[in-house]
Amino acid sequence: QVQLQESGPGLVKPSETLSLTCTVSGGSVRSDIYYLSWIRQPPGKGLEWIGYIYYSGSTNYNPSLKSRVTMSVDTSKNQFSLRLSSVTAADTAVYYCASKRSDHLAHPYDYWGQGTLVTVSS
Amino acid sequence: QSALTQPASVSGSPGQSITISCTGTSSDVGGYNYVSWYQQHPGKAPKLIIYDVNTRPSGVSNRFSGSKSGNTASLTISGLQAEDEADYYCTSYTSTSTDLVFGGGTKLTVL
Repeated sequence: QVQLQESGPGLVKPSETLSLTCTVSGGSVRSDIYYLSWIRQPPGKGLEWIGYIYYSGSTNYNPSLKSRVTMSVDTSKNQFSLRLSSVTAADTAVYYCASKRSDHLAHPYDYWGQGTLVTVSS
Repeated sequence: QSALTQPASVSGSPGQSITISCTGTSSDVGGYNYVSWYQQHPGKAPKLIIYDVNTRPSGVSNRFSGSKSGNTASLTISGLQAEDEADYYCTSYTSTSTDLVFGGGTKLTVL
């Protein structure tokens, strides 16, 4: 069974860069799961898709965040990562990594990490 | 403001049925049969309960069902149980530049 686990600092200062890593177990980012994604949820609010990276390195980011987002994948470690620059309090949220069991873009997200709360505060 | 519109809250008594609507446009809900629904309990990650409008993943109760008419999709939960109390989010594939769009979420209260 594929499992995803987020890791990274829980507190980031305003204007700095948020960095998170998602470690995949029970499957390979090269062959078992697809569209390695990040989705966030501000406290008490709904879900927002941040973007995805394919194992080949191709990416697609939410236009509203595109200028600040960078995603990468390390197939040797079975991990993928998110960097969000110039953060503000509005970026405070629970960040989930998620992926699909199908290579079909329209397939939903089957696998989710437990989520990690990142607070932006000085 | 979310791309897909859901009611903020719905409620029902145990044993009853409820329906949650999800309204989009012809660029998402109305244009494709790729609507999904997620259930989220407090402090937990979303769980996929319906995909491709009306398909249940393995292990999901058949009390959950989905449908679509035009630009509006619906999730119906029959035989409400206390454990169904949660937030529900719809999503749809979209022809715009993003991967998918989410609804704003609906809080289900089991009275």
